[in-house]
Amino acid sequence: EAQVTQNPRYLITVTGKKLTVTCSQNMNHEYMSWYRQDPGLGLRQIYYSMNVEVTDKGDVPEGYKVSRKEKRNFPLILESPSPNQTSLYFCASSLRPTGAGELFFGEGSRLTVL
Amino acid sequence: QKEVEQNSGPLSVPEGAIASLNCTYSDRGSQSFFWYRQYSGKSPELIMFIYSNGDKEDGRFTAQLNKASQYVSLLIRDSQPSDSATYLCAVSGNNNDMRFGAGTRLTVKP
Repeated sequence: EAQVTQNPRYLITVTGKKLTVTCSQNMNHEYMSWYRQDPGLGLRQIYYSMNVEVTDKGDVPEGYKVSRKEKRNFPLILESPSPNQTSLYFCASSLRPTGAGELFFGEGSRLTVL
Repeated sequence: QKEVEQNSGPLSVPEGAIASLNCTYSDRGSQSFFWYRQYSGKSPELIMFIYSNGDKEDGRFTAQLNKASQYVSLLIRDSQPSDSATYLCAVSGNNNDMRFGAGTRLTVKP
């Protein structure tokens, strides 16, 4: 089954404790992206990647890191989480660059930073 | 700042009616336009995309694009209770950025 898999789905952590949210897709997609979704603000892009070793900032990259060492994986790293990073996070992939293709979303990871 | 604006709703329509969802965008260079549906607690899923001015129909759904007015809409005919969800408008330009509106919550009442 074609899918985007995120882990963990739910996480409660404390300020400053490094965490990684993993994202993996099995559709051989070139493009992967991370979004956060907050009430009233919609989906905001954090980082995206057009291919292996190619990443770029989205609208809200501060406090986040990403890497793309393999085509299928695109982890999101919070080096020192803060309460304002409490949010619902979605990983997405697309066969072609964003403007030309459908985004397939993972199930979401709900993060709470205390 | 490139903006995508939607009425947050909630928009309530009776079963069988036409639901009209609207979206405006600020970047005149935008080229691709998408409508996603998001059920509560779930991830967004693509309903339709449109690239050219005019209407595009798919079953009960019609997307309308007017680039001169920087306006895109989604019409849902014969609305069903299962259409109750939040509808996200997304706009993409040349530089691979995809911007989403905050979404419109639609409720279809039996």
